[in-house]
Amino acid sequence: EAQVTQNPRYLITVTGKKLTVTCSQNMNHEYMSWYRQDPGLGLRQIYYSMNVEVTDKGDVPEGYKVSRKEKRNFPLILESPSPNQTSLYFCASSGQGANQPQHFGDGTRLSIL
Amino acid sequence: KQEVTQIPAALSVPEGENLVLNCSFTDSAIYNLQWFRQDPGKGLTSLLLIQSSQREQTSGRLNASLDKSSGRSTLYIAASQPGDSATYLCAVKEGSYIPTFGRGTSLIVHP
Repeated sequence: EAQVTQNPRYLITVTGKKLTVTCSQNMNHEYMSWYRQDPGLGLRQIYYSMNVEVTDKGDVPEGYKVSRKEKRNFPLILESPSPNQTSLYFCASSGQGANQPQHFGDGTRLSIL
Repeated sequence: KQEVTQIPAALSVPEGENLVLNCSFTDSAIYNLQWFRQDPGKGLTSLLLIQSSQREQTSGRLNASLDKSSGRSTLYIAASQPGDSATYLCAVKEGSYIPTFGRGTSLIVHP
């Protein structure tokens, strides 16, 4: 089954404790991205990657890092999480080309205390 | 900077009604527009994608139209059912490959 898998689905942690949210897709997609979704602000893109070893900032990259060492994986790293990063995070992927539909994971709810 | 607006923000209708959700965008230089459905606690599911050269797309009871020149898209849902209850989002993609999302329309279809 074609899917985008995120882990963990839920995480409560404390300020400053480094964490990684993993994202994996099995569709051989070139394009992957991370979003956060906040009430009243909608979905905003954090980072995206056009292919292996190619990453770029989205609208709200501050406080986040990503890497794309393999085509299927695109982890999101919070080196020193802060409470304002409490949010619902989504990973998405799509095939090459501007007119490919995006496929989303089920989301990761992060709470930073 | 592209802005995407969805009206109404919330909608409650009785089962069986035909309904229209609206999406407007400020910059017409888009590659495509995509409609999504989001259920509580879940990710987004792609419903329809309309390329900039297309006028509409259909899938089952759903029909999405695109008028680039006026910066508008509509999602038409025929014969609504309680299972259609969800939040519907539209997103436009431009040359930067960074899509801009609307804030969604929360739909409740009651029996």
